[in-house]
Amino acid sequence: NAGVMQNPRHLVRRRGQEARLRCSPMKGHSHVYWYRQLPEEGLKFMVYLQKENIIDESGMPKERFSAEFPKEGPSILRIQQVVRGDSAAYFCASSQSGRARNEQFFGPGTRLTVL
Amino acid sequence: GQQLNQSPQSMFIQEGEDVSMNCTSSSIFNTWLWYKQDPGEGPVLLIALYKAGELTSNGRLTAQFGITRKDSFLNISASIPSDVGIYFCAGQDSAGGTSYGKLTFGQGTILTVHP
Repeated sequence: NAGVMQNPRHLVRRRGQEARLRCSPMKGHSHVYWYRQLPEEGLKFMVYLQKENIIDESGMPKERFSAEFPKEGPSILRIQQVVRGDSAAYFCASSQSGRARNEQFFGPGTRLTVL
Repeated sequence: GQQLNQSPQSMFIQEGEDVSMNCTSSSIFNTWLWYKQDPGEGPVLLIALYKAGELTSNGRLTAQFGITRKDSFLNISASIPSDVGIYFCAGQDSAGGTSYGKLTFGQGTILTVHP
């Protein structure tokens, strides 16, 4: 039973380029969450999506960042015109539903480095 | 916004010793979770707590959901070298009563176990 899959595991971009991070949730899970982790810090919530809907984007910067979870295919976190401060590990988690007692399971993360 | 204070920040112990770490919050959570993160990997769920006062075990791990719903602790008994890693607490609440979304993470406890 495959867990949450993320790709790429490592991504290097130059300032001004675009970064696209992909997340495939666990089988049977329809809720996806994106978190960002800076070195030696805890994870910070960015956005919560259900299929084709953004439920909560309160943690996502208003500019340059966007997320989607289409009916078919993985969830995508897109960062336009990356800056050095975007360098971090980005984790995706999934849950079976958005109700109580539905734990979030995390993928291995994408480590973004902006040169 | 909600904040979680996790302590201690780091611990250096001998193999076989017991370990205790805790998290306190400025506000109430409906669910407390404890995760372990190894270098270069995503967090792995250890224990989930759903009810104030609940005490739950998972092998050598025991965690409790504080009565006030503003704190939780994790104990590891008889530590072994593979317990090394970063331990995070996370709180989850209900946004609008029906939708459980983002996790708020503590800063992490770095555990080092000397053989």
